[in-house]
Amino acid sequence: GDSVTQMEGPVTLSEEAFLTINCTYTATGYPSLFWYVQYPGEGLQLLLKATKADDKGSNKGFEATYRKETTSFHLEKGSVQVSDSAVYFCALSDTGGSYIPTFGRGTSLIVHP
Amino acid sequence: DAGVIQSPRHEVTEMGQEVTLRCKPISGHNSLFWYRQTMMRGLELLIYFNNNVPIDDSGMPEDRFSAKMPNASFSTLKIQPSEPRDSAVYFCASSLRASSGANVLTFGAGSRLTVL
Repeated sequence: GDSVTQMEGPVTLSEEAFLTINCTYTATGYPSLFWYVQYPGEGLQLLLKATKADDKGSNKGFEATYRKETTSFHLEKGSVQVSDSAVYFCALSDTGGSYIPTFGRGTSLIVHP
Repeated sequence: DAGVIQSPRHEVTEMGQEVTLRCKPISGHNSLFWYRQTMMRGLELLIYFNNNVPIDDSGMPEDRFSAKMPNASFSTLKIQPSEPRDSAVYFCASSLRASSGANVLTFGAGSRLTVL
C-alpha cells in the first residue's frame, strides 16, 4: 500500500539557518505530493504541492521537488524564522489507488532566535 | 468562506459520557474526513464520506464510535460511552475530489477532547 516516511524530529535550528526535512514515499500509481504545516493549536494547512515528476512546489520561501527516481519530496527553506516553528507533514494522494491522502508522522521544527 | 468549522473546540467529560463532535465543511466540497491526532499514534483517519455517503470506516476504533453526515453541510462524530483513551484532538477536513488526484484537504481547527 501507499506510505510516507519522514525524518523524525524535533529538528532544532537557529534563526536564518538552512532547513531540510526529508520525505520519501511508496505508491502504486502516480501520486500527487504535498507538504502540510500545523501551527500550535491549529489544524493542518496546505503549504505546497507538486502533481508530477520534476515539478517544484513553493510557498512562503519553502520549496520541494518531486523526484520520481528517488521517490522523494524533501522540504527546504534557505533561512528559517522563529515563526516557522510548527509540525510539518508530508503526504501523497495516489490516482492509482485510493484518492485518500496518506500522511507521514510529522516532523516538529523548533527555531530559536 | 469561513473554512471548515468544528465545535466544540474543547470538551472535558467524564468516562462513560456521550460525546458529540460537529463539523461544517466548506460549501461545495464533496468529501469529508474525520481524523484523530495523538502524540503516540500521530494522525489517524477514522472515516471518510463522499457525497454524504460513508465510504470507508475501517479506521473507526470500535463500536463506541459512530459518524453521520445527514447532508452536505453537516457531520457528527459520536463517542458513546467515552473512555480516557479517547482523549485526543479530533480534526474534520473537507475537499473537492479531483480526478487528477491532487486531493487537497482543508482542515478545521480541531476539537480537543479530554475524558477523565
